[in-house]
Amino acid sequence: AQSVSQHNHHVILSEAASLELGCNYSYGGTVNLFWYVQYPGQHLQLLLKYFSGDPLVKGIKGFEAEFIKSKFSFNLRKPSVQWSDTAEYFCALGGFKTIFGAGTRLFVKA
Amino acid sequence: EAQVTQNPRYLITVTGKKLTVTCSQNMNHEYMSWYRQDPGLGLRQIYYSMNVEVTDKGDVPEGYKVSRKEKRNFPLILESPSPNQTSLYFCASSPTGQGGNTIYFGEGSWLTVV
Repeated sequence: AQSVSQHNHHVILSEAASLELGCNYSYGGTVNLFWYVQYPGQHLQLLLKYFSGDPLVKGIKGFEAEFIKSKFSFNLRKPSVQWSDTAEYFCALGGFKTIFGAGTRLFVKA
Repeated sequence: EAQVTQNPRYLITVTGKKLTVTCSQNMNHEYMSWYRQDPGLGLRQIYYSMNVEVTDKGDVPEGYKVSRKEKRNFPLILESPSPNQTSLYFCASSPTGQGGNTIYFGEGSWLTVV
């Protein structure tokens, strides 16, 4: 069965710290992977996505993610976080029944 | 402006009183779906629709109904709400149901069943 797991449910960082959020998936076929972000009080919006080509994907606001097929992973990274990055981040495996991870709440201290 | 609109945004209702949450998209998307978001569980799909008159169950369909009579609308119906349906609900759409499509979400509907 397809699944997505996010390892960290809560992350607290200081501004300028580096960020890496883990995401692992379980699926044997061609994958389409997404990271969505939900800022406080808002709806989810796309951060970045991978469906083929370069496994290092760049998204909005300085975020990037690397698809590592051998590890079934799609970790999200940002070299230097800002207070405005405080949000909940969801990894998702795309398809007609898109599967979301449980989410990681990031709090960035000013 | 491209958007997914859902109403009501906030609702408190009583157990057993039928309610409908409307959802409309203006992007001519074929695919629409409903999710519920609960703490620690992420988003779970309730129902989805690949096109007009084509709907199917997601992971947590119990207690919900949907219909897709028009391409732009995809209402979620709770025939007899119960407290365990208290949640944050999101309607979403994408161009097709293919895996590479970005999902566009509505603003969310906070539902409390007492």
